[in-house]
Amino acid sequence: DAKTTQPNSMESNEEEPVHLPCNHSTISGTDYIHWYRQLPSQGPEYVIHGLTSNVNNRMASLAIAEDRKSSTLILHRATLRDAAVYYCILRDQAGGTSYGKLTFGQGTILTVHP
Amino acid sequence: KAGVTQTPRYLIKTRGQQVTLSCSPISGHRSVSWYQQTPGQGLQFLFEYFSETQRNKGNFPGRFSGRQFSNSRSEMNVSTLELGDSALYLCASTPGLADLSSYNEQFFGPGTRLTVL
Repeated sequence: DAKTTQPNSMESNEEEPVHLPCNHSTISGTDYIHWYRQLPSQGPEYVIHGLTSNVNNRMASLAIAEDRKSSTLILHRATLRDAAVYYCILRDQAGGTSYGKLTFGQGTILTVHP
Repeated sequence: KAGVTQTPRYLIKTRGQQVTLSCSPISGHRSVSWYQQTPGQGLQFLFEYFSETQRNKGNFPGRFSGRQFSNSRSEMNVSTLELGDSALYLCASTPGLADLSSYNEQFFGPGTRLTVL
């Protein structure tokens, strides 16, 4: 699986936007970019995914660089509930080895200050 | 719709014993994946079951095994427990259709915290 690199930790203030970066310089053409987050004492939860175009949903936005070697998860207004570990994951959706498998890195620990 | 449930939530075992963990996926989901989470190694994929067949497998020793029943419920078993098996074991479910795009969102349970003494 192609590797992702994320900062170990980031901090934000409540109600401010947060930009969480992810580098994936070895991404292949069939790799989708997924983001999951894990709140304290919970299992991970899906946030968003994309292939080439920027994506928006009710939780966040995903901005993908034109060369796809990096992406940024954007939380438009951070709340205390957004404090979590955020994982950027590449998933090859062309191959059978992807069935049911997510390859997690170390993720970014996001701290949100009141 | 009920979420993914895992039982038990906490478990304490001693070295050499074996353990069985259970996962009930979201109703209608046919794929169940298992993960191990430790402070040192993070979240690691164990295996995935679909329609009672193991379809994908991570890099874990044969002491780790699983199965899936006709109602999609899944169990994983760890035999001859070692101290290093202490971890949070998470399961996740997806609809599991043949189209890989259905795997975009995995729904995780709260996990089973296993402590090996």
